[in-house]
Amino acid sequence: EDQVTQSPEALRLQEGESSSLNCSYTVSGLRGLFWYRQDPGKGPEFLFTLYSAGEEKEKERLKATLTKKESFLHITAPKPEDSATYLCAVRYMDSNYQLIWGAGTKLIIKP
Amino acid sequence: DTEVTQTPKHLVMGMTNKKSLKCEQHMGHRAMYWYKQKAKKPPELMFVYSYEKLSINESVPSRFSPECPNSSLLNLHLHALQPEDSALYLCASSSRGPEGAGGYTFGSGTRLTVV
Repeated sequence: EDQVTQSPEALRLQEGESSSLNCSYTVSGLRGLFWYRQDPGKGPEFLFTLYSAGEEKEKERLKATLTKKESFLHITAPKPEDSATYLCAVRYMDSNYQLIWGAGTKLIIKP
Repeated sequence: DTEVTQTPKHLVMGMTNKKSLKCEQHMGHRAMYWYKQKAKKPPELMFVYSYEKLSINESVPSRFSPECPNSSLLNLHLHALQPEDSALYLCASSSRGPEGAGGYTFGSGTRLTVV
């Protein structure tokens, strides 16, 4: 069964404490893995697209990496404004326009 | 500021009302989407328009009726909704069409409450 699993469900960090969020997927023929950030009551904000194993992308304190089975979102020296829910979504070979979404990781950064 | 604009931001409607949600983008994207999101859940796809033609309808009840007047506008007409339809309704667009690669740009959403 095609699915996307994110862990942990919630993560509390102190400001400056680096960590990683995980997105594992089981799909045939990955055609893109997407990371989004969502603030309460707002629409998801696009962060990164990764297409192939070994690919990495960075934006400010965030770095996304991809292997054949999972993706990591590394957060370096986070600040309270990085607090949000981080969503992972996958498009695969037979999905057409469908994205399979993970349930998200709620990240809380305490000052 | 998001490049996908949704109005209204909040909507409270009775079960016998008719209302419409509106979405607009000026990025030249040719695919537009309606999603529904319940609290603490990921977005659920409702409709996909590709080049102004409806190409996906995910078995959504007929009380939801999408409309794409042109490549920049997307509406969602609501009629006889149920309280369980209360949710955040998100509009999104993408540049390459739904079958292509690339991320979606989401609007800020309309918070709908059905009373």
